[in-house]
Amino acid sequence: EVQLVESGGGLVKPGSSLKLSCVASGFTFSSYGMHWIRQAPKKGLEWIALIYYDSSNKYYADSVKGRFTISRDNSKNTLYLEMNSLRSEDTAMYYCAKDHYGFMDAWGQGASVTVSS
Amino acid sequence: DTVLTQSPALAVSPGERVSISCRASEGVNSYMHWYQQKPGQQPKLLIYKASNLASGVPARFSGSGSGTDFTLTIDPVEADDTATYFCQQSWNDPYTFGAGTKLELK
Repeated sequence: EVQLVESGGGLVKPGSSLKLSCVASGFTFSSYGMHWIRQAPKKGLEWIALIYYDSSNKYYADSVKGRFTISRDNSKNTLYLEMNSLRSEDTAMYYCAKDHYGFMDAWGQGASVTVSS
Repeated sequence: DTVLTQSPALAVSPGERVSISCRASEGVNSYMHWYQQKPGQQPKLLIYKASNLASGVPARFSGSGSGTDFTLTIDPVEADDTATYFCQQSWNDPYTFGAGTKLELK
């Protein structure tokens, strides 16, 4: 069974940094691209980043480009999202998801990030 | 960016058929996917590439469409289908989601 477990969320002040992790199991992690998607409170879904299976390519939404960095460690079956210069509008539930030719066929339970002074 | 437009909400009775629409601002070929999200849970894949049923999803769910107009159909609707349904395209960069259609049962 595919499992994705996010961690690292929390309450932070504007301008600060935070790093999310997503530990994967139940599939060959090193063979699949991975996404980060977020959902602001009571809002819809926003795709924010994709990393290829071998880290050869990374893509970002304009809303996070230059502030967030997606990375992975295939030896640890772990996906990361490093978030810098956080803003109040980054407050959201952050989901990691397994890519399958452009759609997300497995999602984690999410990590909550709140940016507030 | 490709904007995906969905109706905000629908209300149907159990046993009925419901169609949820998603219109793209530009063509996405058949690269439209559908997800179900129940309150307090993560999204779950229902349909991929317009009409393909994801593993473990009941055959009551089906998808159709190509280009700019897509439909998710549930027939018959069951009480457990109360959820928000999102479409997502992966043809144009960046990937985008619709705002979601909240399905309520009467």
